[in-house]
Amino acid sequence: KAGVTQTPRYLIKTRGQQVTLSCSPISGHRSVSWYQQTPGQGLQFLFEYFSETQRNKGNFPGRFSGRQFSNSRSEMNVSTLELGDSALYLCASGWEDGWGTQYFGPGTRLLVL
Amino acid sequence: QKEVEQNSGPLSVPEGAIASLNCTYSDRGSQSFFWYRQYSGKSPELIMSIYSNGDKEDGRFTAQLNKASQYVSLLIRDSQPSDSATYLCAVNPGYSSASKIIFGSGTRLSIRP
Repeated sequence: KAGVTQTPRYLIKTRGQQVTLSCSPISGHRSVSWYQQTPGQGLQFLFEYFSETQRNKGNFPGRFSGRQFSNSRSEMNVSTLELGDSALYLCASGWEDGWGTQYFGPGTRLLVL
Repeated sequence: QKEVEQNSGPLSVPEGAIASLNCTYSDRGSQSFFWYRQYSGKSPELIMSIYSNGDKEDGRFTAQLNKASQYVSLLIRDSQPSDSATYLCAVNPGYSSASKIIFGSGTRLSIRP
């Protein structure tokens, strides 16, 4: 079974630009979560989508947004990029099993110059 | 504030020995517990999940859960250089979605030849 896929894998942007990252979950998974990982802050939860609805959102500014499509694929968007947005953005998918089991994609490494 | 605590390390273990990684959590009602392995520059990989008190073994890995003492540990037997990575402990504070999961900051494990 194919794992979680994320595109693009690497991205370089400049301050003020916007970026869209894509995530395709494991087949059958309807829950998709996004995380930001930086050396100093560790894994920070951004948001979770389930059945095209945002179920929870972490403590990030409104510049960070996302959506989920009917096929469970998800995108996240960051507008007006700041230097501090440089990070590894991880997508994780899982079943709606209540346990919270989730599998991570390879991540998108974003560098903001 | 619900917390998951891990010793940041680095934990240095000789090749062939048992590596013991520990994690404590604050929410007594926590239901599910996960260990992820993350190599430098890569995404987290789920290696163990445990839901009930006691031990769960998978190959060289054993997860141990003690809900009364609020700790979960990961033992790696016959440690190999390829086990050198950061190990993230994750706790679901309830029978709920993945968005509630709390990640520890990780323990860096180094296996010395």
